[in-house]
Amino acid sequence: DQQVKQNSPSLSVQEGRISILNCDYTNSMFDYFLWYKKYPAEGPTFLISISSIKDKNEDGRFTVFLNKSAKHLSLHIVPSQPGDSAVYFCAAVSNYQLIWGAGTKLIIKP
Amino acid sequence: EAEVAQSPRYKITEKSQAVAFWCDPISGHATLYWYRQILGQGPELLVQFQDESVVDDSQLPKDRFSAERLKGVDSTLKIQPAELGDSAMYLCASSFGSLTDTQYFGPGTRLTVL
Repeated sequence: DQQVKQNSPSLSVQEGRISILNCDYTNSMFDYFLWYKKYPAEGPTFLISISSIKDKNEDGRFTVFLNKSAKHLSLHIVPSQPGDSAVYFCAAVSNYQLIWGAGTKLIIKP
Repeated sequence: EAEVAQSPRYKITEKSQAVAFWCDPISGHATLYWYRQILGQGPELLVQFQDESVVDDSQLPKDRFSAERLKGVDSTLKIQPAELGDSAMYLCASSFGSLTDTQYFGPGTRLTVL
């Protein structure tokens, strides 16, 4: 039973446009959420996070939105750049576990 | 910039052989994680250390997998015997402490079991 779901295996976006990556979770005990980015042949790198006491967190071109009632979060990248092409993982934390989604491959088209 | 080191980067072995992976975390990071990632899936936690103690190894297949972090610094993950289904990327990560702290990942070891 997947507690953290990224339902889109891949997403293709034109350079300069907005990329929106989605993540759904089932466990209401999750209180902290993170996004990691992974390039081929490299380990994941931390991108941005959000606590459940907030509904938005912004860092430069990256914004994460949290909708607790819908158990949904999204990562917005504006504007999208070629270097953003990577696999993006959503991860959720409760007091004793960190659960990762399966990832979404983002492709930025020139 | 400090990095998590892992070796080897690639390993090809035959089933029933033993394999070992090594990880050197960022200096000062008390928490060390070993993950297994199968293509198309997210990282799956195998074991988490806090200093030299195991915090969570509930997903570690203990009949064939073992992990140690004897001095609370570097760590070794061993598989004996390897099975075809063990083919995956094995990732090591470290952080200062809690699960909400940023985890810094090494480049991983790509294991292929023939």
